[in-house]
Amino acid sequence: EAQVTQNPRYLITVTGKKLTVTCSQNMNHEYMSWYRQDPGLGLRQIYYSMNVEVTDKGDVPEGYKVSRKEKRNFPLILESPSPNQTSLYFCASSPYGLAGGYEQYFGPGTRLTVT
Amino acid sequence: GNSVTQMEGPVTLSEEAFLTINCTYTATGYPSLFWYVQYPGEGLQLLLKATKADDKGSNKGFEATYRKETTSFHLEKGSVQVSDSAVYFCALSEPGGATNKLIFGTGTLLAVQP
Repeated sequence: EAQVTQNPRYLITVTGKKLTVTCSQNMNHEYMSWYRQDPGLGLRQIYYSMNVEVTDKGDVPEGYKVSRKEKRNFPLILESPSPNQTSLYFCASSPYGLAGGYEQYFGPGTRLTVT
Repeated sequence: GNSVTQMEGPVTLSEEAFLTINCTYTATGYPSLFWYVQYPGEGLQLLLKATKADDKGSNKGFEATYRKETTSFHLEKGSVQVSDSAVYFCALSEPGGATNKLIFGTGTLLAVQP
């Protein structure tokens, strides 16, 4: 089944404890992206990647890191989480970039709480 | 900058009622326009899209027409069902995928009562 998977689905952690949220897609997509969803703000892009070893900042990259060592995986790293990073996170992928109106496929989401 | 504005929710309707969720956008050129739906506890999934002016996207009884003159992409359905209860997001991607991101509206919660 074609899908985007994220792990964990739920995570409660404490301020400053490094964490990684994994994202994997099995559709051989070149483009992958991370969003955070907050009430009243919709979804905002954190980082995106056009291909292996190619990443770029989105609208809200502060406090996050990403890497793209393999085409299928795009982990999101919080080196020192803070309470303002409490949010619902979505990974998404697309066959290519967004030119031409390509659909993005979303993972099920990771709900992160930082205390 | 480019932006998407959609109507505030929640929208509460009875089953078989007519649905309209308004969406307007600000963008230079001709963006691609999308409606995504998020069912409870799930990720977003594409409902429909339109990539050029006057295009009509449709799926599962939902429709939206890309209106360049009014910069709008309103979502409509003639007869809603309880299973349509979800959050609906209007979004645009900039012309030519210039920034490689989707710009989302804030989402509209639809609750359909039996």
